[in-house]
Amino acid sequence: QKEVEQNSGPLSVPEGAIASLNCTYSDRGSQSFFWYRQYSGKSPELIMFIYSNGDKEDGRFTAQLNKASQYVSLLIRDSQPSDSATYLCAVTGTASKLTFGTGTRLQVTL
Amino acid sequence: NAGVTQTPKFQVLKTGQSMTLQCAQDMNHNSMYWYRQDPGMGLRLIYYSASEGTTDKGEVPNGYNVSRLNKREFSLRLESAAPSQTSVYFCASRMGSRTEYYEQYFGPGTRLTVT
Repeated sequence: QKEVEQNSGPLSVPEGAIASLNCTYSDRGSQSFFWYRQYSGKSPELIMFIYSNGDKEDGRFTAQLNKASQYVSLLIRDSQPSDSATYLCAVTGTASKLTFGTGTRLQVTL
Repeated sequence: NAGVTQTPKFQVLKTGQSMTLQCAQDMNHNSMYWYRQDPGMGLRLIYYSASEGTTDKGEVPNGYNVSRLNKREFSLRLESAAPSQTSVYFCASRMGSRTEYYEQYFGPGTRLTVT
């Protein structure tokens, strides 16, 4: 079992819709959870981080964390074509390291 | 601030050649990391340096060596390149070990092809 699992997609949503991206993790001791966005040919950039159970909102983005279910998600409201990218879920492990999922490719269609 | 910089941006090597990838950060971060990214494999940690003077193996260290030259610079060396090392290499840095400083900042990447 991979430590951090994501559906590779592509996830296709129409412009203006809500995109829901999901991630599960195996290490119950994980404390911090991150969502990175990566455009093709570019480096990952941080969108959201969350430490506590519940929801965290930042503009059009909402991160949701459920530690009991070992599940973290990212909602993107009012999806725009510029949101089309690969979204990487990352989870803290031991010794200052982040473990990344393989990413979900999001396509926002006109 | 330039953030995290990497050189070179592109490199083509022949099997058996050696090279060093350079990484520098100007954010006074304590921790630095080297990842490789391959299609369908996500980001895999090669080596990291939690603080100046320390280095540790990550998930895929074989075939690589690293040097934490000072607080700013962290280099990755391929002693004898193999086609399996064809990949995109990212350097990243992070402030420290406390939870609120777990965000990693990434450099632009080095695209390496080994023929």
